Formats: sequence, C-alpha cells, structure tokens
Amino acid sequence: EAGVAQSPRYKIIEKRQSVAFWCNPISGHATLYWYQQILGQGPKLLIQFQNNGVVDDSQLPKDRFSAERLKGVDSTLKIQPAKLEDSAVYLCASSLEASGGRTVDTQYFGPGTRLTVL
Amino acid sequence: DAKTTQPPSMDCAEGRAANLPCNHSTISGNEYVYWYRQIHSQGPQYIIHGLKNNETNEMASLIITEDRKSSTLILPHATLRDTAVYYCIVRNSYGKLTFGQGTILTVHP
Repeated sequence: EAGVAQSPRYKIIEKRQSVAFWCNPISGHATLYWYQQILGQGPKLLIQFQNNGVVDDSQLPKDRFSAERLKGVDSTLKIQPAKLEDSAVYLCASSLEASGGRTVDTQYFGPGTRLTVL
Repeated sequence: DAKTTQPPSMDCAEGRAANLPCNHSTISGNEYVYWYRQIHSQGPQYIIHGLKNNETNEMASLIITEDRKSSTLILPHATLRDTAVYYCIVRNSYGKLTFGQGTILTVHP
C-alpha cells in the first residue's frame, strides 16, 4: 500500500514570497491533517479535514496560511506571504476517519516538506 | 487536551530492552495513548496504541498502568536503527494528536 505522498521535499524562498505544498493521502483515507514542525519541537496541528470539510483550523494563521482539499482527496497548503518564522517542516498525515471516540484510526505521516525562508 | 510528560533523553545498549516512560495523569476515560517515533529527516512513524490493556505488536509492547495515568513503551531488543525521538501522545475523541517534546532515544553499540 502506498503511503502519504508530499511534494516538494525541499523548498527555499525569500521572505514575502508565496509557496504551496501538495499532499496525496493514502487511498481511501477520509481525514487529512497538516502539521508544522519547527526545528527541535514536536509537530503542531495546523488544520484537519474530514473529506473536503474543515474539522479544526484553530491553529492555522489565517492571515497568511490557507489550505484546501478539493474533491476530498489531494490537499494543498499555501503560505502567502512567507515570514522567516515559517521555516519548518510541513507534514501531511491521513487516517481512515477520526470522528468519535469509538473509532480508533491511526494517522500515517508523509515524509514532509522542509521549507527555508531567507 | 491531556498533556504528557516524558524524559528528554535516554540511552540504551544495542540488544538490550529500551523502556520509555510517559506520564499522562489528566487522561480521560475514552482517550487513547499513542506512541510514534521520528527518525531524523523523516515523518513520524506509528508504533503502537492502547486504551486500557497492555498491547504488543511486531515493533514494541505498551504497558499501561491500571489507573491509566502512565505508560511504558518497551522495545525488547533495541538496534542502532531504533535511535529516534519517541513521542507519547494522548489522542482526543476528535482524533487530534498533540505532540510534546518527546524522548530522544540513543542506542549505543
């Protein structure tokens, strides 16, 4: 079974530029997550989708970050404009579904995109 | 979301068992304990999860105390490739994982 795919793996941009990351979840997985991992810290959830609807975007800096999941499959995360503090690894994860305490669905992570903002 | 407390680092000799502790004293009755690990430059890798009972799979064993306030991840025969950051996480009812700092496990030859 193919895992979560992400591209690009690395991206270097200058501050105030825009950047987009792409994620293709595991086939059949309804729930998709985007995390930000700053060097030396654990991943932090930015946004969670259930199919193509947003479940949780409380930690997403909406003035510059946006995400969409059209057709409930692939997703893109965009930063516009980027700041120096956005330098991090952006991880995508997916699970079969996540809602309800009775359903135990494991999240599987992609390799991440390492963003460097100069 | 329930918080977890882990030691920042641990060492283990190759071939020996690695026992990684985690405290989660505010865990609720329907919240699961998950363990992930992250090897350098890779995404987090799922290891194991449990609710009340001890669990074992091909990678590790998970021992959860009866009061569910703490747990221990056991790697029975650690290898050099087990060197990684290990995260203990309490998963809430919406599936949200809140990662802490984790434990850096270093396996020595």
